[in-house]
Amino acid sequence: DGGITQSPKYLFRKEGQNVTLSCEQNLNHDAMYWYRQDPGQGLRLIYYSQIVNDFQKGDIAEGYSVSREKKESFPLTVTSAQKNPTAFYLCASTSGDRLNTEAFFGQGTRLTVV
Amino acid sequence: AQKVTQAQTEISVVEKEDVTLDCVYETRDTTYYLFWYKQPPSGELVFLIRRNSFDEQNEISGRYSWNFQKSTSSFNFTITASQVVDSAVYFCALSDSWEYNFNKFYFGSGTKLNVKP
Repeated sequence: DGGITQSPKYLFRKEGQNVTLSCEQNLNHDAMYWYRQDPGQGLRLIYYSQIVNDFQKGDIAEGYSVSREKKESFPLTVTSAQKNPTAFYLCASTSGDRLNTEAFFGQGTRLTVV
Repeated sequence: AQKVTQAQTEISVVEKEDVTLDCVYETRDTTYYLFWYKQPPSGELVFLIRRNSFDEQNEISGRYSWNFQKSTSSFNFTITASQVVDSAVYFCALSDSWEYNFNKFYFGSGTKLNVKP
């Protein structure tokens, strides 16, 4: 079955550490996205990538970095510069089709700073 | 500016009751898409429906139905005869711009639905 796989499901980070969240998709989608979800809030866009080897900042990119070396993979690094990283992170993809615009999501990674 | 408002933060119903989740949106574009997603406790957002701005027909899928009214900028979601498995957070979203391979989504803050047995 096609879908998006995020790992790990739970991640604990010490203050000052960088951590990387994995996102892999086998939907053959060109576009991939990272969202952050905080309790009682909607999803906020961190970064997106329209094509391999290219990515753009979203609304809350500070303290995060990404890479897109392969079509299937879009890892997110939460750096020590991110002041409040504890949140639920969701990876998504879209087909790029103007008509079929819905996003497909992974199961998320819950990051906690300890 | 684009905005999606889900005024109901949390709703509790007893199984078999009908429940309507409200969604009001703002956009200046004439071409846009509206979505509903379900987020069960496992965390993944599950796509439920997409509607484009030119199609105001209501849709029914089993116990789920959606009422799209451009006149009131609303896209409400009704669950008939609710079940415990419907317990989840439901998000309404808007997309009104499209660049090459990029859909900008605006999400509401979600409505948590608790269905009690």
